[in-house]
Amino acid sequence: RKEVEQDPGPFNVPEGATVAFNCTYSNSASQSFFWYRQDCRKEPKLLMSVYSSGNEDGRFTAQLNRASQYISLLIRDSKLSDSATYLCVVNDYKLSFGAGTTVTVRA
Amino acid sequence: EAGVAQSPRYKIIEKRQSVAFWCNPISGHATLYWYQQILGQGPKLLIQFQNNGVVDDSQLPKDRFSAERLKGVDSTLKIQPAKLEDSAVYLCASSLDILLTGLNEKLFFGSGTQLSVL
Repeated sequence: RKEVEQDPGPFNVPEGATVAFNCTYSNSASQSFFWYRQDCRKEPKLLMSVYSSGNEDGRFTAQLNRASQYISLLIRDSKLSDSATYLCVVNDYKLSFGAGTTVTVRA
Repeated sequence: EAGVAQSPRYKIIEKRQSVAFWCNPISGHATLYWYQQILGQGPKLLIQFQNNGVVDDSQLPKDRFSAERLKGVDSTLKIQPAKLEDSAVYLCASSLDILLTGLNEKLFFGSGTQLSVL
């Protein structure tokens, strides 16, 4: 089993829609999680950390489910500029990246 | 604040040739990483430095890949000889100091070097 697994998508959604996707991790002891965003042919950039209690940053909501060992990212009121690949990252003092979930927002 | 600098931006070589990539991290960042990202996959860690020491090189193909960070600042990654399967984007990243920030470590990436091996 891979350390970090993501649904590759693509998720094609209209502007204004809500889209959500998960990332599962294999190490039940993992404590630190992040979402990075990667635009086409660009480098990954930190989107947000994921806290145990869940957290929001504007239209983005990240949640952690320790019992089922997954984290989720929800994007509300999608914008064209949200089109990107979203990488899940687990930090066990070694950062492990998922393969990414591609989101395409259409006009 | 200047970001992570990498060069070259693109490189095309033939198999069995050698190639080198350079990275200059954000000033003051103690931890430096080299990642390999193959198309359609997430970044895979090749080597991690803490200042001028190697923290993790368990996934570095040491028969052909080498990396150094002699003065604890900039770093070079070399491939010799290159294989077709080395075609990928090589990303350098830096972070403040994983020994201090630990699980809260946040990475800053350079623009990467896209390598094509023909």
